[in-house]
Amino acid sequence: ETGVTQTPRHLVMGMTNKKSLKCEQHLGHNAMYWYKQSAKKPLELMFVYNFKEQTENNSVPSRFSPECPNSSHLFLHLHTLQPEDSALYLCASSLYSGRAPTGELFFGEGSRLTVL
Amino acid sequence: GQQLNQSPQSMFIQEGEDVSMNCTSSSIFNTWLWYKQDPGEGPVLLIALYKAGELTSNGRLTAQFGITRKDSFLNISASIPSDVGIYFCAGQLLEYGNKLVFGAGTILRVKS
Repeated sequence: ETGVTQTPRHLVMGMTNKKSLKCEQHLGHNAMYWYKQSAKKPLELMFVYNFKEQTENNSVPSRFSPECPNSSHLFLHLHTLQPEDSALYLCASSLYSGRAPTGELFFGEGSRLTVL
Repeated sequence: GQQLNQSPQSMFIQEGEDVSMNCTSSSIFNTWLWYKQDPGEGPVLLIALYKAGELTSNGRLTAQFGITRKDSFLNISASIPSDVGIYFCAGQLLEYGNKLVFGAGTILRVKS
């Protein structure tokens, strides 16, 4: 039990589908993140939410749309994706320390996305 | 932008051997962190380093924050089969909003 739960664990979708990834944390953290993990590449930060407010959008295409209804839940809405978007999508959370989030991230197990 | 060069890319070692991996950058960081990712799981934090020169251990793992603040290394002593996985370094700089920069990872395989 990592404290950060992601669903679904695996998702296969066509390029015209609309789907969503869900992340939930029960650690009392106030910062949440979406990362993309592709083979042999560094983790790519996609979005950051601090206290439910989006503070980072790392030049992510608009076909990825995040939503953070509260500090415990984070969604990634997917629409008209491309095959190159196939990857492991990791959610993470952390506490704030002073005026910025700490680097001590707690990750979920990831959602493996395949776009056909 | 900031980049971390992590090496080696992969290692295939005999059980019981010691392991060493490192991360270097042309940028300075005020925090270095090491994460491990088991197959099919998300990364888990192993060690966090907050001061230049700091040497920290966690069981058989030892990590150091380089004096120049541009590098860090991780050592694993007496490797065991469950050490298998991908090890990631990450650097953080307050001036960049504490955004984490990750290395590409070191894949560790252990022969028993």
